[in-house]
Amino acid sequence: KAGVTQTPRYLIKTRGQQVTLSCSPISGHRSVSWYQQTPGQGLQFLFEYFSETQRNKGNFPGRFSGRQFSNSRSEMNVSTLELGDSALYLCASSLVGPQMNTEAFFGQGTRLTVV
Amino acid sequence: GQQVMQIPQYQHVQEGEDFTTYCNSSTTLSNIQWYKQRPGGHPVFLIQLVKSGEVKKQKRLTFQFGEAKKNSSLHITATQTTDVGTYFCAGRDGGQNFVFGPGTRLSVLP
Repeated sequence: KAGVTQTPRYLIKTRGQQVTLSCSPISGHRSVSWYQQTPGQGLQFLFEYFSETQRNKGNFPGRFSGRQFSNSRSEMNVSTLELGDSALYLCASSLVGPQMNTEAFFGQGTRLTVV
Repeated sequence: GQQVMQIPQYQHVQEGEDFTTYCNSSTTLSNIQWYKQRPGGHPVFLIQLVKSGEVKKQKRLTFQFGEAKKNSSLHITATQTTDVGTYFCAGRDGGQNFVFGPGTRLSVLP
C-alpha cells in the first residue's frame, strides 16, 4: 500500500509569508505527527493529531499550527515565516492513537527554505 | 521536560568493526523505538522495545532496553557500508509526548 505522502517536496518562501504543508498518511492510519528537522536541533516534535483532535503539542510558538481532516489527512501551517524556520518538515503516521505503542512511518518530508 | 540524549554524536568505523550507540532519557519511558535515517532520506523504523531489560536482535543489530527503562543501546556487529546513516532513539514519556534523541551519525570506511 502507498506510504506517507507529503506535498510539496520543496518550497522557497520569503520572510513574513505563510506556508501550508500537507501530509496524507498511510490508508487506515489515524494518527499523524509532525516534526521539524534541522542540522543543529535534530528532530523536534511539533504536534500529534488523532481522529481530528490535537493530542500533543511540542514547544513551538503559536505561529505553528495544524489540523487533521476526517480522512486523516493533515496540514500544518506556519505564519509570519522567519529565517530560522528553514528546515525539513517530516510527517509520520501510525496505526492507532498516542496511547498505543506503534511504529511511526515517515514521509519524505518537505524541505522549506525561507529567504 | 523530558530529555533524550545519545552518545556518541558521530562515529567513524572501519568496515567490519563493531559499533554501539547509547540512548539515555531523563525520565522513565513507556517504550523506546529506534530509527535509521540514510543521508538525504527520512527516518525508517527499526524496532520497538517495551519491557524492562528487553533484548532484541535483527541480524547484525542488537537492541537493549535498560532495567530502569531510562536507557537503551543499539549494537551493530561487523559493520558494512550499508549501515551508514544516523541512528535515532525515540521514547514516549508518561505525558505521551514522543521525543527523539539527537542521533548518532555513523560513517563506515570501506
